[in-house]
Amino acid sequence: GAGVSQSPSNKVTEKGKDVELRCDPISGHTALYWYRQSLGQGLEFLIYFQGNSAPDKSGLPSDRFSAERTGGSVSTLTIQRTQQEDSAVYLCASSIQAGSETQYFGPGTRLLVL
Amino acid sequence: AQSVTQLGSHVSVSEGALVLLRCNYSSSVPPYLFWYVQYPNQGLQLLLKYTTGATLVKGINGFEAEFKKSETSFHLTKPSAHMSDAAEYFCAVSDREDNNDMRFGAGTRLTVKP
Repeated sequence: GAGVSQSPSNKVTEKGKDVELRCDPISGHTALYWYRQSLGQGLEFLIYFQGNSAPDKSGLPSDRFSAERTGGSVSTLTIQRTQQEDSAVYLCASSIQAGSETQYFGPGTRLLVL
Repeated sequence: AQSVTQLGSHVSVSEGALVLLRCNYSSSVPPYLFWYVQYPNQGLQLLLKYTTGATLVKGINGFEAEFKKSETSFHLTKPSAHMSDAAEYFCAVSDREDNNDMRFGAGTRLTVKP
């Protein structure tokens, strides 16, 4: 079946602009995770959803970052007033349920803030 | 493509005992290797990583892992388990410098008995 998909695959934006990144999880997966991956680094956890609720928002680096999930499926990560340090690969993952299952990662969105 | 095998989906140790979580990888090029931990209802958190240099890598919370090329292994150890170590542990491998193609193992759930 289809895996986790993300769009766009690449995004170039100017500093100060807002961007929206989309994630379509695997059908039936109730948990959805957002991560950020900077060059040469491992995954940095941002936020996760169980259903439509986000029990853990501790990883969001600033109030410019927000995420929502509707219908227990698609999620959108929004970065307002982007900064150059926001440049990274943003990965989405989903799992059958939170905490006990392997996370399946999407291909990521590569964001470049000029 | 690279892949990871974690031996044992569940490991149970007594508090104070040695923790050993096994990970073997497959990669056609020198790998980057990672261990992530996931506490209940939280996202993945990087424990440690090997990229180049010293093959014994020390991470947070007293964990360490040794890269053994001849055995294609990257086992995670901790001399003395604490109750707070109970979590799911994921080994991951990447064969690209930007880690944009990271593959995770199925995970090992560690239980610590009092």
